[in-house]
Amino acid sequence: EAQVTQNPRYLITVTGKKLTVTCSQNMNHEYMSWYRQDPGLGLRQIYYSMNVEVTDKGDVPEGYKVSRKEKRNFPLILESPSPNQTSLYFCASSLSGIYDSPLHFGNGTRLTVT
Amino acid sequence: AQSVSQHNHHVILSEAASLELGCNYSYGGTVNLFWYVQYPGQHLQLLLKYFSGDPLVKGIKGFEAEFIKSKFSFNLRKPSVQWSDTAEYFCAVRTGTASKLTFGTGTRLQVTL
Repeated sequence: EAQVTQNPRYLITVTGKKLTVTCSQNMNHEYMSWYRQDPGLGLRQIYYSMNVEVTDKGDVPEGYKVSRKEKRNFPLILESPSPNQTSLYFCASSLSGIYDSPLHFGNGTRLTVT
Repeated sequence: AQSVSQHNHHVILSEAASLELGCNYSYGGTVNLFWYVQYPGQHLQLLLKYFSGDPLVKGIKGFEAEFIKSKFSFNLRKPSVQWSDTAEYFCAVRTGTASKLTFGTGTRLQVTL
């Protein structure tokens, strides 16, 4: 089944403790992206990747890192999480950028930083 | 930078009522337009998209949207909503050759029986 898989679904952590949210897609998509969803703010893009080893900042990249060593994986890294990063995070992928192919979203990761 | 406005934050309708959700964007060049839906507890799914051609596009589940370039709008419509349409709806825009989508803040639709 074609899908975008994020782990974990729920994560509670403390300020400053490094964490990684994994994202994997099995559709051989070139484009992958991370969004955070906050009430009243909709979805805001954190980082995106056009292909392996090609990443770029979205609208709200501060406090986050990503890597794209393999085509299928695009982990989101929070080196020193803070409470303002408490949010619902979505990973998404599409075949070749978003020029003519829609985004496929993962099921989300709800992160709470205390 | 481009922006997307969804002015209706929360809409409550009775079953069988007609729906129109507004979406306006601020960009004067070429745009690709999308509507995504997020059912409670689920991830976003594509409802419909506009790239070029006929400005009236039809999507899944009886939804349609009309691109009106002169008004910078891409409103979502459905003639008769069902209880199962209760969800949050997001408009999204890609402008020019940008490699990202800009999402609106979403409209929560609640359909009552």
